[in-house]
Amino acid sequence: GENVEQHPSTLSVQEGDSAVIKCTYSDSASNYFPWYKQELGKGPQLIIDIRSNVGEKKDQRIAVTLNKTAKHFSLHITETQPEDSAVYFCAALNSGGYQKVTFGTGTKLQVIP
Amino acid sequence: NAGVTQTPKFRVLKTGQSMTLLCAQDMNHEYMYWYRQDPGMGLRLIHYSVGEGTTAKGEVPDGYNVSRLKKQNFLLGLESAAPSQTSVYFCASSGEMNTEAFFGQGTRLTVV
Repeated sequence: GENVEQHPSTLSVQEGDSAVIKCTYSDSASNYFPWYKQELGKGPQLIIDIRSNVGEKKDQRIAVTLNKTAKHFSLHITETQPEDSAVYFCAALNSGGYQKVTFGTGTKLQVIP
Repeated sequence: NAGVTQTPKFRVLKTGQSMTLLCAQDMNHEYMYWYRQDPGMGLRLIHYSVGEGTTAKGEVPDGYNVSRLKKQNFLLGLESAAPSQTSVYFCASSGEMNTEAFFGQGTRLTVV
């Protein structure tokens, strides 16, 4: 089955700096890679996703890169703000959809004002 | 704009008691899921449904049952709660297989 590893488990950055979270996956059949943000006491919410036919995707201060050959994908947050503080999860899905999803173990990001 | 709503938000059970968690979505989604979230383990799929009247086992189904009698509702049942089922439970739904999943706000369950 799929195995998704996520690093680091915790990350502290100064406000305005960049944050990078990395995930690796094992199943070459995985073709959809969403990133979720979970704020305290709330459910995860999709912030960006990427499909296997794309190498990079950006949405304002957030970007995701995918290296299919190396089987890793990363989340980049630039100009971090205190409201970016949350737990971030990566995930990998194949054609089985969320029935076959594997989530990473999460990264707790703290942005220090 | 309710999205996915879970009931209740918090619950404390004694070992051996039963309970049902309710999930309701108003987006007309076909796919619905129940996950549990434990520290350091991410989200793990308990059961899922690909449409009204269907259910299937996920990664960690033991000790749980589900029903999808109506398209908008997905119920998770614990027949005889155990301390190992202490967790935060999330319901989610998606319109298609490989698109965004929308999560509820979670139910924090403690079994003592």
